Amino acid sequence: DIEMIQSPSSLSASVGDRVIITCRASQSIGNWLAWYQQKPGKAPKLLIYKASSLENGVPSRFSGSGSGTEFTLTISGLRPDDIGTYSCQQYQDSGLTFGGGTKVEI
Amino acid sequence: QVFLQESGPGLVKPSGTVSLTCSVSGDSIRGSSYYWGWIRQSPGKGLEWIGSAFHDGTSFYNPSLDSRSTVSADTSKNQFFLRLYLATAADTAVYYCARQGYYYDGSGKKRGWFDTWGQGALVTVSS
Repeated sequence: DIEMIQSPSSLSASVGDRVIITCRASQSIGNWLAWYQQKPGKAPKLLIYKASSLENGVPSRFSGSGSGTEFTLTISGLRPDDIGTYSCQQYQDSGLTFGGGTKVEI
Repeated sequence: QVFLQESGPGLVKPSGTVSLTCSVSGDSIRGSSYYWGWIRQSPGKGLEWIGSAFHDGTSFYNPSLDSRSTVSADTSKNQFFLRLYLATAADTAVYYCARQGYYYDGSGKKRGWFDTWGQGALVTVSS
């Protein structure tokens, strides 16, 4: 299985800050990576697929980049509604795997 | 708009079977090009993919759960199902069903990201 390691595991930032979350794969996954946002007690919500493609309806302050083994999710201008846990998922390998999550607090 | 809703027993005895149904509205499993999958989240832990199925009966599983899990679909009812056998306390989790997107690479059609999720169903394995 491909292991996905996220960093940091948690962070605290202020409204308006630029937040960067990193996801590293144990082997190259091309650009076959998705990012999800999960609010407490709710299901995950797809934000980005194919490393940098924004899902319909997702605010443009969310952006993704990277390829190979290192990827980032950037929130440009953190808003109070952005609190939650962010997870990456690789789908290059048939054994789909998720990162452990990054909890974002304000 | 596509909606998914999980249903099934919330309490399962050890060595029993976790049996969940996902009812789909707003899309047709039979006519869809999407896959349909199950993901779980143990208390305080990350997400874990269990398995996915296509309307033609083909299915794919997490190798760590392959021997204990079955994902299938009933296109006439627009539902798909999860059966997880020989349950233990470690299978206590919130179980999500989700629609799974796809892409094409050099080897053909492949399963991808999860674009629509159900609200989740808590299953507790306990005597």
